[in-house]
Amino acid sequence: DTEVTQTPKHLVMGMTNKKSLKCEQHMGHRAMYWYKQKAKKPPELMFVYSYEKLSINESVPSRFSPECPNSSLLNLHLHALQPEDSALYLCASSQAGTSYNEQFFGPGTRLTVL
Amino acid sequence: RKEVEQDPGPFNVPEGATVAFNCTYSNSASQSFFWYRQDCRKEPKLLMSVYSSGNEDGRFTAQLNRASQYISLLIRDSKLSDSATYLCVVRGTYKYIFGTGTRLKVLA
Repeated sequence: DTEVTQTPKHLVMGMTNKKSLKCEQHMGHRAMYWYKQKAKKPPELMFVYSYEKLSINESVPSRFSPECPNSSLLNLHLHALQPEDSALYLCASSQAGTSYNEQFFGPGTRLTVL
Repeated sequence: RKEVEQDPGPFNVPEGATVAFNCTYSNSASQSFFWYRQDCRKEPKLLMSVYSSGNEDGRFTAQLNRASQYISLLIRDSKLSDSATYLCVVRGTYKYIFGTGTRLKVLA
């Protein structure tokens, strides 16, 4: 089962709202990722969790707050976002470590900030 | 220089044509290489990993040239359903680096 699930599929929020994006995988992967993707651009890495610990933060603004409650779940908490944060947010997972590890993506959450 | 570079295209080819995409990477310590396809407003899907010896999956062939630091993807007998953006992905020590993607449109 090479499936990563994400909820919600679509989210519209105001700049003062607090919301969360959720991601789940049951492939036994120990590395999980959040990406942001704008139209006609490649995915842009935001955060990497390895063995449930944050290992990479690509200088993401603090209005985005990741959380990894366990090895299967990854959340992204959103607060006081700006309209330019509107994008497709993709979660991905892979085996941890440095060998030939394929990365699998969820279907994404399409976020609109008003 | 970008870490991973691809020709953005678009490549417009007729059905049945053979098309090739190249991708160059700058970090010689890169460890693994992949091609993904992404349809409009969908997530990237793994097309194939790229191994040093080259590998083939049906109509798709991937090659890796470590000395020249490039990877390639060859699509034979193009189908309308091959129309998508093809992303070259290179894995470094801790993260995956994406190329900008190459748009392919297969025409009837």
